[in-house]
Amino acid sequence: GAGVSQSPSNKVTEKGKDVELRCDPISGHTALYWYRQSLGQGLEFLIYFQGNSAPDKSGLPSDRFSAERTGGSVSTLTIQRTQQEDSAVYLCASSLEAGIYTDTQYFGPGTRLTVL
Amino acid sequence: GDSVTQMEGPVTLSEEAFLTINCTYTATGYPSLFWYVQYPGEGLQLLLKATKADDKGSNKGFEATYRKETTSFHLEKGSVQVSDSAVYFCALRAFKAAGNKLTFGGGTRVLVKP
Repeated sequence: GAGVSQSPSNKVTEKGKDVELRCDPISGHTALYWYRQSLGQGLEFLIYFQGNSAPDKSGLPSDRFSAERTGGSVSTLTIQRTQQEDSAVYLCASSLEAGIYTDTQYFGPGTRLTVL
Repeated sequence: GDSVTQMEGPVTLSEEAFLTINCTYTATGYPSLFWYVQYPGEGLQLLLKATKADDKGSNKGFEATYRKETTSFHLEKGSVQVSDSAVYFCALRAFKAAGNKLTFGGGTRVLVKP
């Protein structure tokens, strides 16, 4: 079956612009996760959804970052007023359920964001 | 807090050599442990996992054993191939982890030469 897909694969933007990153999880997966991979910080957890709700947003680095999920499927990560330090690869993952800590998270190919 | 430490790379090997990548962790309770691999130009893929002490995860000739007494989950492969060149990430997911998040190590780049 289809894996996790993300779009766009690459995004170049100017400092101060807003960007939206999209994630389509594996069909039937109720849990969805966003991570960020950057040279300086490695792989960082940002936020997760169980269904459409995000119980824990504490991983988001600033209030310029927000995420939503609709219909228990597609999720959008929005970064407002982008800064150069936001440049990174943004990874999305999904799993069957969020409540099972042994559950496997499957990752998408990522969106490479470059802020000039 | 939870953390994962893995050996820094790059690790350069010849084909058919033995590979070990060390991984140790700090976590409250009994985490699940994972190895993910990122091949050049591709996304993260689960390589193997172990969910309780003394479990051995294995896949594609790679193995790792969950050692609670040494809080380790070292990755091994007996005979590497050029196609094993990738970045390997050790990760944990703590029981009732906040946000159900995975906590990753810094990654180890492995280069296998013919």
